[in-house]
Amino acid sequence: GDSVTQMEGPVTLSEEAFLTINCTYTATGYPSLFWYVQYPGEGLQLLLKATKADDKGSNKGFEATYRKETTSFHLEKGSVQVSDSAVYFCALSGGSYIPTFGRGTSLIVHP
Amino acid sequence: DAGVTQSPTHLIKTRGQQVTLRCSPKSGHDTVSWYQQALGQGPQFIFQYYEEEERQRGNFPDRFSGHQFPNYSSELNVNALLLGDSALYLCASSLRATNYRLSEKLFFGSGTQLSVL
Repeated sequence: GDSVTQMEGPVTLSEEAFLTINCTYTATGYPSLFWYVQYPGEGLQLLLKATKADDKGSNKGFEATYRKETTSFHLEKGSVQVSDSAVYFCALSGGSYIPTFGRGTSLIVHP
Repeated sequence: DAGVTQSPTHLIKTRGQQVTLRCSPKSGHDTVSWYQQALGQGPQFIFQYYEEEERQRGNFPDRFSGHQFPNYSSELNVNALLLGDSALYLCASSLRATNYRLSEKLFFGSGTQLSVL
């Protein structure tokens, strides 16, 4: 079945550091890929998405490229801020039409 | 414009009891989905309701049931609670799709934290 694997956290960075959160997936067909963010005490919010190979999703300085050859969708940001501290979830919507989320990666950014 | 609202925010029950969680979708949305998020895990899809019927279901036992009302609000019911049912329960709303797909138009509530003792 479909699955998503994310790097384990927490990821701890200083402000203005470069961020990478790895995500790989297994799915049948051609899934759509997503990154969601969950701030403390809040629900999930869509951060960015990509629907086909080589698409790049971007939002609020975050980027991720759909790499079909490596079945990956790594999240990157060039310069993180304290306000980016949250839990980030990689997700896919594949042939089963039932959404699959990764376990989440906690990001902690220090001033 | 109110987003997705869930009630209650926190709930404590004991094993064997039954619980009902409630969700009001974002204004203009007609489809409600429920997710279970265990501590340290990603959300897992429970089921989706549209036109007052269950349309899709994840890998959850029949102890988990739901309902959707004519005003599109929804309830999640869990019977015979187990310790393992302790989790954050998330509701998400969207507009109807001809088939279910996770999309950018999915809006999540803040969830109900259920603790089973």
